[in-house]
Amino acid sequence: GAVVSQHPSWVICKSGTSVKIECRSLDFQATTMFWYRQFPKQSLMLMATSNEGSKATYEQGVEKDKFLINHASLTLSTLTVTSAHPEDSSFYICSARPWRSGNTIYFGEGSWLTVV
Amino acid sequence: GQQVMQIPQYQHVQEGEDFTTYCNSSTTLSNIQWYKQRPGGHPVFLIQLVKSGEVKKQKRLTFQFGEAKKNSSLHITATQTTDVGTYFCAGQGYQKVTFGTGTKLQVIP
Repeated sequence: GAVVSQHPSWVICKSGTSVKIECRSLDFQATTMFWYRQFPKQSLMLMATSNEGSKATYEQGVEKDKFLINHASLTLSTLTVTSAHPEDSSFYICSARPWRSGNTIYFGEGSWLTVV
Repeated sequence: GQQVMQIPQYQHVQEGEDFTTYCNSSTTLSNIQWYKQRPGGHPVFLIQLVKSGEVKKQKRLTFQFGEAKKNSSLHITATQTTDVGTYFCAGQGYQKVTFGTGTKLQVIP
């Protein structure tokens, strides 16, 4: 099946610093990628929809200046958490929809962010 | 906005018993997908339902999409310990996918 790779899997950063998470579709092109965050024992909350070559669409309540999303190519989207705070600690996960393959989306392995 | 609820939130079953989780959307969906997430893991795609009233089976798993395309169910027959995890439905609305609240399944050996 289609493979989506996320990096890093684990990251610990100091409060006030920024951290970048990459999401790559390894064997397909994805015009659309999605970024979710998941708090422990909770569901996945959509943060933003990333479209290649255009600005991301953010969900209500998600600060676009804090969570910078770049989708520069058909196989790579990045999420940068700027000026991270401990409350940003969470599981961030991306997913990608292959071009012309209907609505099936494939998830990356996720990235655990801990801000200390 | 679109909301997708799942019940129950938690379910403990004895190995060999059946299990069902129900998914309800506040809006009509174009399709619905089901995912399984093991503890510490990422969601893994199980199946997609598109047609009204559609029923699909995968071995011991039976998936159903409601006639109104606003609800769905996942039924597992004779659960096994390998079925442990959280099951999420994900409803495709207008241009975005909204995940259900999830049902965490525990199987007691």
